[in-house]
Amino acid sequence: QVQLVESGGGVAQPGRSLRLSCAASGFTFSSYGMHWVRQAPGKGLDWVAVISYDGVNAYYADSVRGRFTVSRDNSKNTLYLQMNSLSPEDTAVYYCAKPRGSGSYWDFFDYWGQGILVTVSS
Amino acid sequence: DIVMTQSPDSLAVSLGERATINCKSSQSVLYSSNNKNYLAWYQQKPGQPPKLLIYWASTRESGVPDRFSGSGSGTDFTLTISSLQAEDVAVYYCQEYYSPFPLTFGGGTKVEIK
Repeated sequence: QVQLVESGGGVAQPGRSLRLSCAASGFTFSSYGMHWVRQAPGKGLDWVAVISYDGVNAYYADSVRGRFTVSRDNSKNTLYLQMNSLSPEDTAVYYCAKPRGSGSYWDFFDYWGQGILVTVSS
Repeated sequence: DIVMTQSPDSLAVSLGERATINCKSSQSVLYSSNNKNYLAWYQQKPGQPPKLLIYWASTRESGVPDRFSGSGSGTDFTLTISSLQAEDVAVYYCQEYYSPFPLTFGGGTKVEIK
């Protein structure tokens, strides 16, 4: 069965960095583009970033572009999100999400991780 | 960017009654070449990740009870719970996957028991 397990969250001071990981299993990870979606406390869902199946291409929401970098290691079936220059507005639960199809960047999500909380506070 | 607007923000429905949630997109999400609406619905219970309910606007995900149905086309969509059960208390989100990035979600509709 498909499993997505995020790790690496916690508390960071404004301006500092964190790196999230998402360990994937139960499907051919290297065949799928993978996404990050976040949810601020008590708020809705916001798409953050996507990376292509081979790691060559990545796209970002305007709110994180230039500060966040998505990457992957297909040999380890792991997705990453490097978050730099964090601000309190980045406080959220971060989910990695698998799209249904392997052939398109924009898609709906059939599996989500449980999410990991990132709190940015001094 | 496509803006997804859900209504109402919240609703309270008696057990066994119908719940209707609306989602409106700022531009059509109907792709003319395949006549498919690029619209999905999710259910999110407290402390849990979203769960896929409906995709292509009206296709129910495997394992989702048939009391959940999706309808609509173009810019106006509806999620209907035909007979509300206690386990359906949740926040529901629509999502478009029509446009190049960003993918966008509606603001959510909270469903409670009256």
